[in-house]
Order: sequence, then C-alpha cells, then structure tokens
Amino acid sequence: NAGVTQTPKFQVLKTGQSMTLQCAQDMNHNSMYWYRQDPGMGLRLIYYSASEGTTDKGEVPNGYNVSRLNKREFSLRLESAAPSQTSVYFCASSEVLRRSNQPQHFGDGTRLSIL
Amino acid sequence: SQKIEQNSEALNIQEGKTATLTCNYTNYSPAYLQWYRQDPGRGPVFLLLIRENEKEKRKERLKVTFDTTLKQSLFHITASQPADSATYLCAPGPSGGGADGLTFGKGTHLIIQP
Repeated sequence: NAGVTQTPKFQVLKTGQSMTLQCAQDMNHNSMYWYRQDPGMGLRLIYYSASEGTTDKGEVPNGYNVSRLNKREFSLRLESAAPSQTSVYFCASSEVLRRSNQPQHFGDGTRLSIL
Repeated sequence: SQKIEQNSEALNIQEGKTATLTCNYTNYSPAYLQWYRQDPGRGPVFLLLIRENEKEKRKERLKVTFDTTLKQSLFHITASQPADSATYLCAPGPSGGGADGLTFGKGTHLIIQP
C-alpha cells in the first residue's frame, strides 16, 4: 500500500520559475488537501478538494493554483515562484463520512527551496 | 480568528512516566479533534480522533480527552518509551464537520529520556 505519494521529494527553483507538485493517493478517498509547513508556523492549508471536480481555497492560497485531475490525483502549481514560498509541502487525503471527518493520510512532503 | 495553542517548549519526560500534552483552542467550536504524530522528515501520521460528544478516547497506551467547556484537549501517553519521542500535533476540525481542511496547532516536541 503506497498511500499518498508526492513527487518530487526535493526541488530547488529560481525566483520566477514555475513548477507543479504532484500528489496521488491509492485509497479511493474523496477529499484531498495541500498544506505547507514552515518553522514556527505549523501546517497551513493552501487548497483542498472535497470531491472530484471541486476545489476550494484554504488559509494561504495566494501564489498557488490547484487541479483535481481525477479522484486519485491533486496537483499544486506555483506559476511564478517567490522566496516566501520556500517551504515543505504536504499533500493529504481523507474520506468524509457524514459530519465527522475521517483521519487525513499524509505524504512525506516535497521540500522546496526558492532562490 | 481561530487560535490553537500547544506547549511551545519541548517536553522532556523520563521513560516509563506518563506524558501529558495540552491543546487549547479559542473562537470556535470544533465538531471533533484529531491528534497526529510527526517524525523528522516525514508527514504527520494520524493517531486518534475524538468527537464533541465524547469525553475520552483510548488506544493502547494513548488516551485523549476533549473538554468543550474548557476548549481543551489533553493527550496522554502512558508508560512512555524513547520511541515515543516525536512532535505531536493537535487539529480541531471545522465547526460543521465535513470536508474542510484541518487547522493544526504548531505541535509539541516530546522527548522521552531513557
């Protein structure tokens, strides 16, 4: 069981370059999420997708776009990378049952540095 | 705005003792609260979920309480072991439940000393 797979694991970009972070889950989950984690800030939600075909902004969406390609895949795009976007990016997925959310399953992250 | 507070300082506990971690939240009423463990260089791993109508939840050596009046959750690890050393994150869910993403606390770094 792979769970949630993120690619790449590490990336260095120059300011202004674009990049897409890939995420795929094999648990048949409806909901998928993108978070960033910075020292002293904790995990912050960038975008989420409650189900295939829908996406919504989270706490810190500026500078990012997302695509829910199908039920398995949810990508995060940086159109013009800025040093403030240097962070560790985590993708997660979960099933949603009635009003009670199910546990989120995380990938091991993409460590992104913007020079 | 919603605020989540966890012990900001590292918590040092002697092996075999009970570790107690605190999560306080303000300005909302979560329908549930989750606890995760995160090891260096890895993604968070789910441990326990407790709903607003539950006072306590247990799983092996782990126990979570949820006091909606105090707006606080306590996370206990009994008979702690060095392998329990990690950062523990609390995540109160949105007030209406559902598929919204979680808001995480900054985490408490737990160190279990042999």
